Amino acid sequence: GAGVSQSPRYKVAKRGQDVALRCDPISGHVSLFWYQQALGQGPEFLTYFQNEAQLDKSGLPSDRFFAERPEGSVSTLKIQRTQQEDSAVYLCASSRTGDGEQYFGPGTRLTVT
Amino acid sequence: KQEVTQIPAALSVPEGENLVLNCSFTDSAIYNLQWFRQDPGKGLTSLLLIQSSQREQTSGRLNASLDKSSGRSTLYIAASQPGDSATYLCAVDTGTASKLTFGTGTRLQVTL
Repeated sequence: GAGVSQSPRYKVAKRGQDVALRCDPISGHVSLFWYQQALGQGPEFLTYFQNEAQLDKSGLPSDRFFAERPEGSVSTLKIQRTQQEDSAVYLCASSRTGDGEQYFGPGTRLTVT
Repeated sequence: KQEVTQIPAALSVPEGENLVLNCSFTDSAIYNLQWFRQDPGKGLTSLLLIQSSQREQTSGRLNASLDKSSGRSTLYIAASQPGDSATYLCAVDTGTASKLTFGTGTRLQVTL
């Protein structure tokens, strides 16, 4: 029923901590995307799933970033050993098909201190 | 690599004015183009999606046009209202995994 939801909405992590960000897409949407938005910038692509398959992870900035969608619904973006440059808003989007309109969640604002 | 540019970066207009926001992209081989609105601290709200075969889309006071060959799109907002104040982002889908490439946005303020 509802749109894309993300949790937590805000996360403060100390440098070096691991974090996990959750995305609940719109029910029945096949495709799921993660984007990273730095302050004052447009979102930048991180990774893309079609059902449970991760088809593109070319935007992940380092091997500290890992995403999964094991049952083709909920997705988790994990960042290990967080660094200050990881501070950003992480947006999740879903679409009915891979080539359709993308619907975005409210984002998770991550601050690394 | 696809690059998307939006001009102007910021715009302030009095209520009631009609206005145009511009978006240009370097690779004309796009699948579709989407305009979004983003309010401070919020996610993105989709406004209009134009398929590559279309030239324009309309929704209420909004009209978006697409000229794929010249790599340009415009978002026209008629009779602007203070509630239109937000950042407007355009994004192109090149069809490669359908990832969107975004511009940096136009921050619009509509004053009373």
